[in-house]
Amino acid sequence: QKEVEQNSGPLSVPEGAIASLNCTYSDRGSQSFFWYRQYSGKSPELIMFIYSNGDKEDGRFTAQLNKASQYVSLLIRDSQPSDSATYLCAVKGGAGGTSYGKLTFGQGTILTVHP
Amino acid sequence: NAGVTQTPKFQVLKTGQSMTLQCAQDMNHNSMYWYRQDPGMGLRLIYYSASEGTTDKGEVPNGYNVSRLNKREFSLRLESAAPSQTSVYFCASTQGWQTQYFGPGTRLLVL
Repeated sequence: QKEVEQNSGPLSVPEGAIASLNCTYSDRGSQSFFWYRQYSGKSPELIMFIYSNGDKEDGRFTAQLNKASQYVSLLIRDSQPSDSATYLCAVKGGAGGTSYGKLTFGQGTILTVHP
Repeated sequence: NAGVTQTPKFQVLKTGQSMTLQCAQDMNHNSMYWYRQDPGMGLRLIYYSASEGTTDKGEVPNGYNVSRLNKREFSLRLESAAPSQTSVYFCASTQGWQTQYFGPGTRLLVL
């Protein structure tokens, strides 16, 4: 089992819809969770991070974390064609584990928002 | 404030050649990282340096060496390049529990 898993997609949504991106992780000691966006040919850029169970909102983006289910998601409301990119989920290991302090990335989900 | 810079941007090598990828950050970050990204594989950690003077292996260290020259610079060396090392290489830096900031990447083709 991969440590961080994402559906590689592609996920296609119409402009204005809600895009839902999902990620599961295997290390129960993981402490922090990140969503990066990567446009083709560019480097990853941080969209959001979340540490606590529940929802965290930032503009059109909402990150959701459920540590009991080892699940983190990213919702993009009012999706725009400019949101078309690969979305990478990353998990930072907690104290006491071999991944302490290091980010482990999922394989990324390709999102396409069509007009 | 340039953030994280990487050189070169592109490189073509023949099998067996060596090269060094350079990375520098001007954010006074303690920790620096080297990743490789292959299609469908996400980002995989090659080596990291938690602080100046220390380096540790990541998930895929074989065929690579690193040097943390000072707090700003962290280089990645391929001693004898192989076609399996064809990839996009990203350097990143962070301070404590803050997010990682990535450089623009180096695209490497090994023939």
